[in-house]
Amino acid sequence: AQSVTQLDSQVPVFEEAPVELRCNYSSSVSVYLFWYVQYPNQGLQLLLKYLSGSTLVESINGFEAEFNKSQTSFHLRKPSVHISDTAEYFCAVSDPRGSTLGRLYFGRGTQLTVWP
Amino acid sequence: ETGVTQSPTHLIKTRGQQVTLRCSSQSGHNTVSWYQQALGQGPQFIFQYYREEENGRGNFPPRFSGLQFPNYSSELNVNALELDDSALYLCASSFDELNYGYTFGSGTRLTVV
Repeated sequence: AQSVTQLDSQVPVFEEAPVELRCNYSSSVSVYLFWYVQYPNQGLQLLLKYLSGSTLVESINGFEAEFNKSQTSFHLRKPSVHISDTAEYFCAVSDPRGSTLGRLYFGRGTQLTVWP
Repeated sequence: ETGVTQSPTHLIKTRGQQVTLRCSSQSGHNTVSWYQQALGQGPQFIFQYYREEENGRGNFPPRFSGLQFPNYSSELNVNALELDDSALYLCASSFDELNYGYTFGSGTRLTVV
C-alpha cells in the first residue's frame, strides 16, 4: 500500500510571501499525484495533478508542483500567497495498477494560514 | 458548484444505530468512491464502485456497505454505529476507474453519540 507523508502539519506565512508545502510518497513505481485543497466545512477541490509528461504542473491560481521521482516527492509551491489561500492542503497518490486502481492515498494534510 | 451532491450535510446518531448517507454524482461519472475523514486526518478510502459493482475496498469492516445506482446516485450504509465512526464522509466521482481526478462532494458530517 502507498503512504503519503506531509512533513508540516501547519505552515503560517505572511501575505505575498512564498510558500512550499512538502509531500513525499512511499513508492518508486509509476503513480499519479494530486494536490487537493479543503476550505472550512467544505469537501476537497482538486488543485493540480501529475499523471505523466512534464514534471512541473501548474494550477490556475498560481500554485505549482514538481514531481521528483528520485526523491519520491511532489512539493507544492506558490511564489506569493494571498489571504484567500488559507486552507487545508492534502497531497494524494494513486496507483494506476491492479487491485488498487483508482484508490487515493492521502497525507494527513497541511494547514496553510496566511496572515496580513 | 462541484457537481457532486451529498445529503444530509449533518447527522447525529446514537451508538448502535444504522445510517444511510447519499450521494448524487455528475451524469456520466461511472466511478464513485467513499472516504472517511476523521477530525485532523486525511481522508481514508472506504470502497469504490464502478458501474454498480464494488471494485475496491479499504480497511473497513463489513458493517460499512454501499450501493451504486444506474442514475449515478449512490449510498453508504453503516450498521451498528460506533463512536469512532464520527467523521466527515466524502463521496467522490470520476468518469472512469483510473481516476484522473475525482470530483468530491462537500461531505456529510456524522456525529455518533
